[in-house]
Order: sequence, then structure tokens, then C-alpha cells
Amino acid sequence: KAGVTQTPRYLIKTRGQQVTLSCSPISGHRSVSWYQQTPGQGLQFLFEYFSETQRNKGNFPGRFSGRQFSNSRSEMNVSTLELGDSALYLCASSDGRASTGELFFGEGSRLTVL
Amino acid sequence: SQQGEEDPQALSIQEGENATMNCSYKTSINNLQWYRQNSGRGLVHLILIRSNEREKHSGRLRVTLDTSKKSSSLLITASRAADTASYFCATDGSSSNTGKLIFGQGTTLQVKP
Repeated sequence: KAGVTQTPRYLIKTRGQQVTLSCSPISGHRSVSWYQQTPGQGLQFLFEYFSETQRNKGNFPGRFSGRQFSNSRSEMNVSTLELGDSALYLCASSDGRASTGELFFGEGSRLTVL
Repeated sequence: SQQGEEDPQALSIQEGENATMNCSYKTSINNLQWYRQNSGRGLVHLILIRSNEREKHSGRLRVTLDTSKKSSSLLITASRAADTASYFCATDGSSSNTGKLIFGQGTTLQVKP
């Protein structure tokens, strides 16, 4: 099985711009979660989508949004970028049902905001 | 913050030695997991221990869980240079079987050849 694929791997944006990150989960996985990782705050949960519906949401401002498509692929969008949004954004997939709870992570998208 | 604490923040040992990392968390849990992250890359799941388990083994890994103290430890025996990475504990915060995990701050392990 192919693993979780995130694109793009690296990107540079300037303040005020917006960015869209993409995540393709493992085939058959219906849950996709997004995390932000920074040196200061560590790994923080953004949101989770399961069968195209947002199932959980972290404590991030409304500038952070996401969606999931019928094929389980997910995108997250950050609008009006701020310097503090510079981070590694990680996507993780799981089958989302009664299972071990293990998450499978992609390699991440490293966003730099200038 | 909901995040737990990991101790130590950094650990440097020689190849062949054992490495022990500790994790404390704040909320009740259904399970606790440990993940490894090689520099700047994605996380890899290592082991999961359920709240009704006290100890679990997987290869060179041994995890213990003390729910009364809200703490866990990860022991890596006979460490190798390839074990150099950051290690994170993660709890489900009683939201089992979802993608929402609460991660600790991590322990950075360096294994010197």
C-alpha cells in the first residue's frame, strides 16, 4: 500500500497570502487529520475529517480551514498568512473506526512565511 | 496547555546502552502511543498501550503505563545509531478511535556510534 502523500513538500509564501496543502491518505482510510508542528508549540492538532465531515477541531483561528473529498483526499487552507504560521504541517490518516487508533503520517509540508 | 510533558528533553547515549524516556499527561485516556520522528520528517508509530495495560513490549521497545500517576515510559534497549530521532508520546484524551491526539513536547535522542 502506498503511504500518506503530502504536497507540496516545501513552499515559501509572504505575509497576507493564502496557501493550500494537499494530503492523500492510505487507500481505504477514511479519516484524515492535520497537525501543525513548530519549535515553540510542538505538535498541535488542527482538525480531523472523516467521510467528508469535520469530526474534530483544534484551537486554531478561522484562517485555518480544511475539507475532505469523496475519495478521502483532504486539503487544508490557511488564509491571510502570518509569520507565525511558518511550520511543518503534517497530515495523518487512519481508518477512523474501532481500530488500534494508530495514525499514519505523511512527510509533511514545510511552510515558510516571509 | 493540554500537552503533556516529556523528560528528558534531550538524551545522548552510546550505542548499545539503554535509553529511557518519560511522559506525563493531564487527562484521562483510552490509550497512549509513542511515535518517532527523524529530523524534520513525518512521525512513525512505534507502539500503543491501552489504559488497562501496564506494560507492553515490541522488539527492543518496552512501554509502561501508570494511569494513577498519569505517566508512561519508553525504554529502548541496546540502542543503535539508527535510533537517533525525536520521540513523542501521544494520548487520545478519551476521544478513542479518532485522529485527535495530544502530543508531548518530545525527547530528542542521540545515539553515538
